[in-house]
Formats: sequence, C-alpha cells, structure tokens
Amino acid sequence: AQSVTQLDSQVPVFEEAPVELRCNYSSSVSVYLFWYVQYPNQGLQLLLKYLSGSTLVKGINGFEAEFNKSQTSFHLRKPSVHISDTAEYFCAVMGIGGGSQGNLIFGKGTKLSVKP
Amino acid sequence: GAGVSQSPSNKVTEKGKDVELRCDPISGHTALYWYRQSLGQGLEFLIYFQGNSAPDKSGLPSDRFSAERTGGSVSTLTIQRTQQEDSAVYLCASSFNYDTGELFFGEGSRLTVL
Repeated sequence: AQSVTQLDSQVPVFEEAPVELRCNYSSSVSVYLFWYVQYPNQGLQLLLKYLSGSTLVKGINGFEAEFNKSQTSFHLRKPSVHISDTAEYFCAVMGIGGGSQGNLIFGKGTKLSVKP
Repeated sequence: GAGVSQSPSNKVTEKGKDVELRCDPISGHTALYWYRQSLGQGLEFLIYFQGNSAPDKSGLPSDRFSAERTGGSVSTLTIQRTQQEDSAVYLCASSFNYDTGELFFGEGSRLTVL
C-alpha cells in the first residue's frame, strides 16, 4: 500500500517570494508521483507528474517538482509566486504494477495563500 | 460534454435517508474514480472502475456505501441510511486508462446530512 504525507497544511507567502510545498511518500513498490491543484470553487486539475526519466519535472504556471527516491520526496517549488497561485495543492502517489496500480492516493493537501 | 459532470451539485438530506450521486465521465475514458473530500482530510479514495474489470472497492468506508457503473460509462454512488459523518464533497474523476494517474475531476456533489 502507498501513503502520502504533506507536512504543511497551510503555507502563507508574499507575492513574488519563492515557495516550496513538501511531500513525502511511502511505498513498497516503484511509484508514479503527481501534484494536483484546486483553485477556489473549482475542481482539481493536474499540475505536473513524474512517471520516469528526469527527476526534475516541470508543470503548468511555472511550477516544478523534484523526485528524490532516497528521501522518498516529491517537493513542489516555484521561484516567484503570484496572487493567482492561491489554491490548495495535493500530492498523490500511484504504485506501479501488481494490485496497487490504478489506485491514486492523495495527501491531505496544502493551502497556499499568497499575500500582496 | 467536454468534462466530467456530477449531479446533484448540492444535496441536503436527513439522517437515515438513502442518497444517490451521479457521475458522467468524459467520453472514451475507461477508468472512473470516486473520492470523498472532507475538511482537513484531503481526498479519501472510495472506489475505482476500469473497463469491465471488477472494481477496486477497497476504500469504501462501510457496507452502506456502494457504487455501480453501467455500460462502462455513467456511475452512481449510493449511500444508504446516511449518517452525519457522511457529510462531505463527493468527487468523481475519469481517466483515459487506469494506469496513467492523470485524472480529470468533476466539480463534486456536496452532501449535507442533517
């Protein structure tokens, strides 16, 4: 089975500052990793994903994340945030192969609040 | 339609009543998922369907919860004898295939049990 821990439930930051949202996962098999974003009063949408290859993946709106297998982490970063980045961000993991594939497990989310 | 459609968007019911929540996935998507989103609890996996395979029901919290998917398309999540702790937003998502992790979410059905 897989699990996801998002260490920060809320992250306040000023506009144009850098931000890192932390995500750690647990799995006994190889994984795919994802970040989803939920803007206020909207549905969730995929921000970026890691399936294989380069451990640094880039997503929409200038976000990027780095897969670190030894630390079982997949932290999300943006060098300069905008007011419009205010949203809730969810990290998710899917085990590869066996009975766990297809089951996408989400963390509890991190609310990013960007202040002017 | 172009996206995942869920109905009703809001449902208020009395404790003990049964409710049905409907999901229309994106056309051509073979995988369909149900999640529950409660305040401070993130997204809790409930069940997923892939094509004609047996669904993965491992996330259903009790036998009061059930789901079916007819004709590989529309899905209905049924909650029998609702309890106050069932109050949450129920999210449906679909995916072109079950092993991609790229889910397209509907806007959810907000259930309030009085």
